Amino acid sequence: AQSVTQLGSHVSVSEGALVLLRCNYSSSVPPYLFWYVQYPNQGLQLLLKYTTGATLVKGINGFEAEFKKSETSFHLTKPSAHMSDAAEYFCAVTSRGSYIPTFGRGTSLIVHP
Amino acid sequence: GAGVSQTPSNKVTEKGKYVELRCDPISGHTALYWYRQSLGQGPEFLIYFQGTGAADDSGLPNDRFFAVRPEGSVSTLKIQRTERGDSAVYLCASSFIGREHEQFFGPGTRLTVL
Repeated sequence: AQSVTQLGSHVSVSEGALVLLRCNYSSSVPPYLFWYVQYPNQGLQLLLKYTTGATLVKGINGFEAEFKKSETSFHLTKPSAHMSDAAEYFCAVTSRGSYIPTFGRGTSLIVHP
Repeated sequence: GAGVSQTPSNKVTEKGKYVELRCDPISGHTALYWYRQSLGQGPEFLIYFQGTGAADDSGLPNDRFFAVRPEGSVSTLKIQRTERGDSAVYLCASSFIGREHEQFFGPGTRLTVL
């Protein structure tokens, strides 16, 4: 069974600082990889996804993530944090041939003024 | 167009009661999914519908949980004899068939069992 590990349940950054949210997965073959964002009292919104092709994926709101097969990682980054980025972020993985994602436990991003 | 909607947004019930949670998917989306998100956890899969039929119900925790989608659109998640451990946010998502990797999520129903 595949699993997803998000290092750090909380990440705190200053406004304007680099955002780095870590995600590692376990899978025997390269999976599909996703990052979702969840604002309070809202559903999950897809930030970006990797399915095939270029390993550096750009998403909405200035976020990007890089699929590194050798490290089984898919870390999420943003060069400059905004206050509006404060939310819960979930990494998810789906096996090829499946349609059901396995989610990590989430990382709460806190942005200080 | 409208996104996935879920009603009610909050539901408080007593242990042992029956509850129904409703999901209205995006129009035209034939695939529908239910997830459960416990406090401090990521969403966990419950059941997946293709049209009217449950294509995969392997995530339902026990026979107290049941879901239907009689006309291939709106779905209802039904929980019998609720237990305090059922307290969670229940999320619904929908997608086109063949585009299961682009699921659109609703805001969820927060269920509290006292």
